[in-house]
Amino acid sequence: DAGVIQSPRHEVTEMGQEVTLRCKLISGHNSLFWYRQTMMRGLELLIYFNNNVPIDDSGMPEDRFSAKMPNASFSTLKIQPSEPRDSAVYFCASSFSENSPLHFGNGTRLTVT
Amino acid sequence: GENVEQHPSTLSVQEGDSAVIKCTYSDSASNYFPWYKQELGKRPQLIIDIRSNVGEKKDQRIAVTLNKTAKHFSLHITETQPEDSAVYFCAASKAGNTPLVFGKGTRLSVIA
Repeated sequence: DAGVIQSPRHEVTEMGQEVTLRCKLISGHNSLFWYRQTMMRGLELLIYFNNNVPIDDSGMPEDRFSAKMPNASFSTLKIQPSEPRDSAVYFCASSFSENSPLHFGNGTRLTVT
Repeated sequence: GENVEQHPSTLSVQEGDSAVIKCTYSDSASNYFPWYKQELGKRPQLIIDIRSNVGEKKDQRIAVTLNKTAKHFSLHITETQPEDSAVYFCAASKAGNTPLVFGKGTRLSVIA
């Protein structure tokens, strides 16, 4: 298995533009997590899904952020409109269940200018 | 909800010495405690984990201890090597619809 696959690896965009981050889960995993990592705040959980259903989105900073899981193996995180303070590394991770080892993707480094 | 505190935030050791990183958690129902290592510019990777039914687990130079009464767990790295330099994160979770809660991380530097 290739592991959790994220795209793009790097994204540079201007303030106000829409950004879409993509994630492919490990086959057989049922839980999907989106994290944001910054120096100041560390690893923050944005949202997670279990069996394609969003369970907790309380970490999503604002309505500008949205996440979907259209099928069991794929998820997107969208920021619209983007702002400079959204600049961070966004990690997608998957696991067999909420209480089992988490496997991270390589992350997307987002820079909003 | 769960709160995980991690100390120290930075740690420097001489090559060959041991390193210890400590975490405390608040929810006594938490029963799964993994540790992740994140090298610069890379993703966090699981290095060892422990569940609440055991008090200690070891994998070569890495060991984790758990004290459920005190609600703290620790990572021990012996005979440190320069390649152990990274940021280490502890985390905790419990059964049910609750995800891992991470500590803020410890930046370990092993000086050759």
